[in-house]
Amino acid sequence: AQSVTQPDIHITVSEGASLELRCNYSYGATPYLFWYVQSPGQGLQLLLKYFSGDTLVQGIKGFEAEFKRSQSSFNLRKPSVHWSDAAEYFCVPRGSQGNLIFGKGTKLSVKP
Amino acid sequence: DGGITQSPKYLFRKEGQNVTLSCEQNLNHDAMYWYRQDPGQGLRLIYYSQIVNDFQKGDIAEGYSVSREKKESFPLTVTSAQKNPTAFYLCASRGRGSTGELFFGEGSRLTVL
Repeated sequence: AQSVTQPDIHITVSEGASLELRCNYSYGATPYLFWYVQSPGQGLQLLLKYFSGDTLVQGIKGFEAEFKRSQSSFNLRKPSVHWSDAAEYFCVPRGSQGNLIFGKGTKLSVKP
Repeated sequence: DGGITQSPKYLFRKEGQNVTLSCEQNLNHDAMYWYRQDPGQGLRLIYYSQIVNDFQKGDIAEGYSVSREKKESFPLTVTSAQKNPTAFYLCASRGRGSTGELFFGEGSRLTVL
């Protein structure tokens, strides 16, 4: 079955430090992959997406993600974290039936 | 501006009562979805609809019902049969021919007293 794993439940980084959130998926073909962000008590906002082409994709708010087929990974990165980035982040592959597969997410806390 | 509107944002209900959550979109999207979110659990699919007058059960449909009489609207009813209805509910939509990304509303938090 298709699945997604975000190994880190909770990450804390200092403001201004770099960030990498890990994501691994299981899927035979090249997947459609998304990263969403959710601020507390809010809906989800799309940060970026990958479905073909350049494996390094740029998103909003200074985020980027790299698709690595050999590692079945789609890690999210940001060179310098801002306090407003504190939120929950979801790596979401699209399943073979067109449905999106949500994992449990990674909660990011930012220290001043 | 186009988007998805969920109402109410907060709702309290006594046990044994049905409650209906509203979801309206003006994005002209064909597909609409309802998800439930519990702390530390991610999102779980309740129901979805690909077209007007048609909908399918998701992974956790028991105790919920939906209707899709208009393209713009996809209300969710949480019935008294839902054993643990306290949760955050998210509505989403997707356009035809898109790469599959969903657009989400701001959510509705239901608390059963």
